[in-house]
Amino acid sequence: KQEVTQIPAALSVPEGENLVLNCSFTDSAIYNLQWFRQDPGKGLTSLLLIQSSQREQTSGRLNASLDKSSGRSTLYIAASQPGDSATYLCAVGDNFNKFYFGSGTKLNVKP
Amino acid sequence: KAGVTQTPRYLIKTRGQQVTLSCSPISGHRSVSWYQQTPGQGLQFLFEYFSETQRNKGNFPGRFSGRQFSNSRSEMNVSTLELGDSALYLCASSLGWSPNTGELFFGEGSRLTVL
Repeated sequence: KQEVTQIPAALSVPEGENLVLNCSFTDSAIYNLQWFRQDPGKGLTSLLLIQSSQREQTSGRLNASLDKSSGRSTLYIAASQPGDSATYLCAVGDNFNKFYFGSGTKLNVKP
Repeated sequence: KAGVTQTPRYLIKTRGQQVTLSCSPISGHRSVSWYQQTPGQGLQFLFEYFSETQRNKGNFPGRFSGRQFSNSRSEMNVSTLELGDSALYLCASSLGWSPNTGELFFGEGSRLTVL
């Protein structure tokens, strides 16, 4: 069974810092990997989707990479801002449209 | 275009009652998935419907059920509510068929409190 782990569980950084969030998964037979952002009490907002054949995706200050062979993905956030404070979740999708979520990294960007 | 819409946003029930939550997916999406989110367990998959058929199912008791209509709108029902059912229930939609991108889009959720 696919297991997804996100470390650290929480992270606090000063504004302007570049940071990396980690996501690891146990089964490399994935279809895609998606990063989400969740604000307190809200739904999940899709940030980036990486197909299994891709190595990375970029959107603005965000860059996500995927290394299937090692079972890892990273989300890089450049020049962090207080508005980036949220919980970031990764989800791994298989060929049967099932998705497995990590428990998230709670990010706090201090002004 | 409109996103995923969930109703109601908030509701309070008492133990033993039943509840029905609704989800309208993005237009053109045929897959609807339901998740339960609690502080202790995180996001847990309930079930997925595609073209009115349950295609995937998580490990929840039979008190949790769902269905999907011909317009892809979905409902989930929880019967005989327990205190532990208090959670944020999230619905996600996607195109749902291979070789689609598989991107998930979530609604704002329905916050259920069981007293």
